[in-house]
Amino acid sequence: DIQMTQSPSSLSASVGDRVTITCRASQSISSYLNWYQQTPGKAPKPLIYAASSLHSGVPSRFSGSGSGTDFTLTISSLQPEDFATYYCQHSHSTPYTFGQGTKLEIK
Amino acid sequence: EVQLVESGGGLVQPGGSLRLSCAASGFSFSSYWMSWVRQAPGKGLEWVANIKQDGSEKYYVDSVKGRFTISRDNAKNSLYLQMDSLRAEDTAVYYCARLTVAAGGTWWLGPWGQGTLVTVSS
Repeated sequence: DIQMTQSPSSLSASVGDRVTITCRASQSISSYLNWYQQTPGKAPKPLIYAASSLHSGVPSRFSGSGSGTDFTLTISSLQPEDFATYYCQHSHSTPYTFGQGTKLEIK
Repeated sequence: EVQLVESGGGLVQPGGSLRLSCAASGFSFSSYWMSWVRQAPGKGLEWVANIKQDGSEKYYVDSVKGRFTISRDNAKNSLYLQMDSLRAEDTAVYYCARLTVAAGGTWWLGPWGQGTLVTVSS
């Protein structure tokens, strides 16, 4: 099974900051990598698919990069609504595991 | 508007069974793979199962194989998860999600339903 490891597990930042979250796969997954955002009590929402493609309606301050085993999610200028938990997930082969999540909190 | 609404969650004793449903609307349900994902209280997301458009292919995480069955009724625009031999560690919010395939074979999950809580406890 492919394991997905996110870092950091939590992060404190301020509105306007640039933040980067990392996701590492235990083996190569090409670009079969998605990012989701989840706010408390809500269902996850898709942000990025295929490592770097922005999902429809997602603000351009979100971007993704990487391929193979190392991936990043970057938020260029944090907005209040961006404080949430972010998950990566691979779609390479079953089981389609998620990372453990990165909780982004207000400093 | 695309909408997914789960139902069927509740309290069940260890060893018991429960059937979750997900009612889909606003899109051509029979044209999409569908998924179940769960989230234990205070924990992260865990993919549970996928089912192909016509139900001919199904995939499960190892921890539920032989106990859970994903199915669908395209005439009723509904997705199901039959859960048998339930264990305390199956306690979670269960989400259904539409699976969208992109060029190159990659795919993502979205939208998601609001989730239904399953609690396995005596």
